[in-house]
Amino acid sequence: DQQVKQNSPSLSVQEGRISILNCDYTNSMFDYFLWYKKYPAEGPTFLISISSIKDKNEDGRFTVFLNKSAKHLSLHIVPSQPGDSAVYFCAASAPTSGTYKYIFGTGTRLKVLA
Amino acid sequence: DSGVTQTPKHLITATGQRVTLRCSPRSGDLSVYWYQQSLDQGLQFLIQYYNGEERAKGNILERFSAQQFPDLHSELNLSSLELGDSALYFCASSEDVIDSPLHFGNGTRLTVT
Repeated sequence: DQQVKQNSPSLSVQEGRISILNCDYTNSMFDYFLWYKKYPAEGPTFLISISSIKDKNEDGRFTVFLNKSAKHLSLHIVPSQPGDSAVYFCAASAPTSGTYKYIFGTGTRLKVLA
Repeated sequence: DSGVTQTPKHLITATGQRVTLRCSPRSGDLSVYWYQQSLDQGLQFLIQYYNGEERAKGNILERFSAQQFPDLHSELNLSSLELGDSALYFCASSEDVIDSPLHFGNGTRLTVT
């Protein structure tokens, strides 16, 4: 059972335009959501996160939106740059048995075209 | 640099063998997580340790085991290796407090031939 889903395996965007990456989740116990960026031959790098008490969080060119009723989050990158080309993973976290469980989506490969 | 160190970067071994993957968490992080990524798949949670004790188990095979030592480094042991165990194995650490992200190492690429 895939609790965190990224339904678009890939996305191509022109440089300077907006990139929108989407993620859906099924478990209503998730209360913290994260986005990671992964380059080849490197580990995932933490990008931005949002707590379930918020619906938006911004950090420079990156904004994450959370729609709890729809169990949906998205990552907006504006403006997109060629260096943003990478695989993006969304993740969701829930407290469980005294610790925190992190479930990851399968990733979306973003290609920003110069 | 995430501060999480994984060794070795690459491992090539034969079926039936046993290997050990090592992880040093970020300074101050007590919690270590192990994930497996196979062939452009997502990150599958294997196991978590907190301050030396096992805290949570995911889709970890019985042939696999892990431990966290008093200095907080962790080792993932994979035995009776099969071709299907070829994957990237990532270690991550966290402060294990509310709203704290995981920080990942660069992984160990295991190839079983």
